[in-house]
Amino acid sequence: AQSVSQHNHHVILSEAASLELGCNYSYGGTVNLFWYVQYPGQHLQLLLKYFSGDPLVKGIKGFEAEFIKSKFSFNLRKPSVQWSDTAEYFCAVPQGGKLIFGQGTELSVKP
Amino acid sequence: GAGVSQTPSNKVTEKGKYVELRCDPISGHTALYWYRQSLGQGPEFLIYFQGTGAADDSGLPNDRFFAVRPEGSVSTLKIQRTERGDSAVYLCASSPRTSGGMETQYFGPGTRLLVL
Repeated sequence: AQSVSQHNHHVILSEAASLELGCNYSYGGTVNLFWYVQYPGQHLQLLLKYFSGDPLVKGIKGFEAEFIKSKFSFNLRKPSVQWSDTAEYFCAVPQGGKLIFGQGTELSVKP
Repeated sequence: GAGVSQTPSNKVTEKGKYVELRCDPISGHTALYWYRQSLGQGPEFLIYFQGTGAADDSGLPNDRFFAVRPEGSVSTLKIQRTERGDSAVYLCASSPRTSGGMETQYFGPGTRLLVL
């Protein structure tokens, strides 16, 4: 069975700092990967997804993620964070029709 | 259009009671998913439906949990003899179909269940 792990549980940054959140997956075959975000008081929503092709995926709000097969990683990045990026971020991998989520990383951005 | 809706938004019950949680998916979405999220954890899969039938119920923790989707739209998650460990946020999601997991799932706001 596939799994994902997110090693950063809580990240605190100042505005304009660069962001990289780690995500590692366990399966070595064909992989699809997602990043979801949950802003305070809101529901989970899709940030970006990777299925195939260009390993650098661009999502909403200036986020991007790079699929590195040799490292089993799909790290989320943003060059300059804003206070409004404060949220919880989840990496997920599909298994059959369902999603397997990582533990999540809470991002706090100080104004 | 309207997103996924869930009712109630909050539910407080006593240990041993029966609860029902409702999910209204996005209109036209044939796939519906239930997840459970405990504090500090990512969502954990419970069950998903393709149309009226449960395509995968491997995540249901035990036989106290049951879900139905009789007309292929609204779904109800039913928990019998609730226990304190059932306290969590129950999330529902829907997608246009299932394609081996390639479809984006659209999540509702969740039902926060507290068992006293």
